[in-house]
Amino acid sequence: NAGVTQTPKFRVLKTGQSMTLLCAQDMNHEYMYWYRQDPGMGLRLIHYSVGEGTTAKGEVPDGYNVSRLKKQNFLLGLESAAPSQTSVYFCASSYEAGAYGYTFGSGTRLTVV
Amino acid sequence: KNEVEQSPQNLTAQEGEFITINCSYSVGISALHWLQQHPGGGIVSLFMLSSGKKKHGRLIATINIQEKHSSLHITASHPRDSAVYICAVFSVQGAQKLVFGQGTRLTINP
Repeated sequence: NAGVTQTPKFRVLKTGQSMTLLCAQDMNHEYMYWYRQDPGMGLRLIHYSVGEGTTAKGEVPDGYNVSRLKKQNFLLGLESAAPSQTSVYFCASSYEAGAYGYTFGSGTRLTVV
Repeated sequence: KNEVEQSPQNLTAQEGEFITINCSYSVGISALHWLQQHPGGGIVSLFMLSSGKKKHGRLIATINIQEKHSSLHITASHPRDSAVYICAVFSVQGAQKLVFGQGTRLTINP
């Protein structure tokens, strides 16, 4: 089925470890986004990309890095995980910004101990 | 004050009841989205609105641009409608991005 695929779905990390979350979309969307969702708060934008080879910071970028080497993939990296990064991470994509639909992935539940 | 406010935060109703969830926003927008998230699940887009009203099955979404207000209605509610419903607006002020409400947790009891 067409859509946004996130891997992995669950992960437990120790403080200081690194990992990469992968987001893949097969809808030829230009825009891709990484959000985090925490209890009692709305989704917050970490980083986004407006096309292959481009990335930009969102509201809460500290502690994360991203790359978009291929149009269909958007990677989110944690270089040195901290307990404050325990969250559910969602990737999304859209054809363009503005009045276009967004397609979300199923989420990655990350726990940093 | 959040740019997107939803009410109520929690709603419990009996099967069959008519449900209304409200969303008010304070920024200029080009579109408003209603999203659904089941417990432990992913996020599904229900509607995108820039004016008027949309209907899909038992779900109806309306928006009043002048009043900066949108409503999501569910007719003949069913336990499978139990989920968190999230309102998000695409802000055209400042950094153009989706701004999310905190969500409304809906529980429909049989």
